[in-house]
Amino acid sequence: SQQGEEDPQALSIQEGENATMNCSYKTSINNLQWYRQNSGRGLVHLILIRSNEREKHSGRLRVTLDTSKKSSSLLITASRAADTASYFCATDSKAAGNKLTFGGGTRVLVKP
Amino acid sequence: DTGVSQDPRHKITKRGQNVTFRCDPISEHNRLYWYRQTLGQGPEFLTYFQNEAQLEKSRLLSDRFSAERPKGSFSTLEIQRTEQGDSAMYLCASSSLEGGIHQPQHFGDGTRLSIL
Repeated sequence: SQQGEEDPQALSIQEGENATMNCSYKTSINNLQWYRQNSGRGLVHLILIRSNEREKHSGRLRVTLDTSKKSSSLLITASRAADTASYFCATDSKAAGNKLTFGGGTRVLVKP
Repeated sequence: DTGVSQDPRHKITKRGQNVTFRCDPISEHNRLYWYRQTLGQGPEFLTYFQNEAQLEKSRLLSDRFSAERPKGSFSTLEIQRTEQGDSAMYLCASSSLEGGIHQPQHFGDGTRLSIL
């Protein structure tokens, strides 16, 4: 079953704009990760944030985590057409053997 | 590091046939995971191995599904008597343990199964 939900389900923006997507989850976690998936391909790991961290940056990506609200956000700044993809959050916990539980994803379209 | 590779990339078969998929993980990774993804959804966990031991199976993995990792390297996922509901992308991922901390999972490009 899906751990949580991503919001919005779809997002359409112009190149250069920022894209923000949110993820909510239901149970206690060890880590939360964001992955990108281009159509017909596998998932590419973007960033991992641990449960004791609140914010993390990687290049044009910024991830926040609020464990009290069981939510996370992914911000992509200065978006490019190549950022067009589906973005998934995934949580894991030691109790669950570190398997990943994914949300339903946000489909992002960046228009040139 | 050649990444996780999966074979075949696409499989089309008739209902009732058996199919087998292969996953070659990143060589030094001791954990190997199988996920299933249907159109428009996030991947769902099926099973995982630590070395050659299968440690967990999801309830999604009916008796028709079996996975092996005989030497702790590559893994196979077999589906017997396929049904139309088995149509999906089957994804394999691998990860390592470094300093007692599980590292992010690396995914292959998946095998897309279509049941006619």
